[in-house]
Amino acid sequence: QVQLVQSGAEVKTPGASVRISCKAHGDTFSDSIVHWVRQAPGQRLEWVGWINGGNGYTKYLQKLQDRVTISRDTSATTVYMDLSRLESGDTAVYFCANSTFGSSSADYWGQGTLVTVSP
Amino acid sequence: SYVLTQPPSVSVAPGKTATFTCGGNNIRTKSVHWYQQNPGQAPVLVISYDVDRPSGIPERFSGSNSGNTATLTITRVEAGDEADYYCQVWDSSGDHPVFGGGTKLTVL
Repeated sequence: QVQLVQSGAEVKTPGASVRISCKAHGDTFSDSIVHWVRQAPGQRLEWVGWINGGNGYTKYLQKLQDRVTISRDTSATTVYMDLSRLESGDTAVYFCANSTFGSSSADYWGQGTLVTVSP
Repeated sequence: SYVLTQPPSVSVAPGKTATFTCGGNNIRTKSVHWYQQNPGQAPVLVISYDVDRPSGIPERFSGSNSGNTATLTITRVEAGDEADYYCQVWDSSGDHPVFGGGTKLTVL
C-alpha cells in the first residue's frame, strides 16, 4: 500500500509562484495516474490536473491551464505541482492522490498542503 | 463538464440509517465513487465502482446506482461517521474526475 507524503504549508504573495511535492513511499508512480485536487476553505473538492506517472502525459483544469504545471522526477517517486501568478482565489489545501492505471477512483491521498495567498 | 448534485446536509440519530444521494444525468452509465472527509483531513475512499468497499471499510457502508441517482447508505450510524461525504465520477469527455458538492453528515 503506497503512502503519499506532501511538502509543507506555503504562504505566498499575489503574483508569486509555488511548488508542492508529493512523494510516494512503498511504491513508485510508474503504474499510476497522480491527481492534484484542491479545496478552498469550506468549499468542495476541485480537480486541478493529473499526470501519467509512466509516460509523463498531463491534463489540466482548463481555467488553470496557463498557470499550472505537473511534473515528476526521473525515478517516478515524486510528483510536483507548480502554480504561477498566484491569486487570492488559489488559497486552498492541495491534495495529491493516485489511481492505478485503468481506475477512475482516487485510491490513496496525501495529507494535504495548505497554500495561503495573501498580500 | 458533467455535473454532480448532492444535498448539503443530512442529519440522523445514532443507530439509524443515513442515506446520501448524488444526482447526475444518466449517472447509472457511470461508475460512482464515494469519499469520506473528516475536518482537516484528506478524503478516504469508502465506496468504489458503485458498490465495492475497499479493504478496511465497515460493512455498514454500501452503495447503489440507478437512473439519475447514485446512493451511499450507512447503517447503524455512529458518532464517528460524522464527516463530509463526496461522490465522484470520471468525466469521459473532459478526461478528468468530477466531484459533487459534498454532503455534511450530522449525528444527532
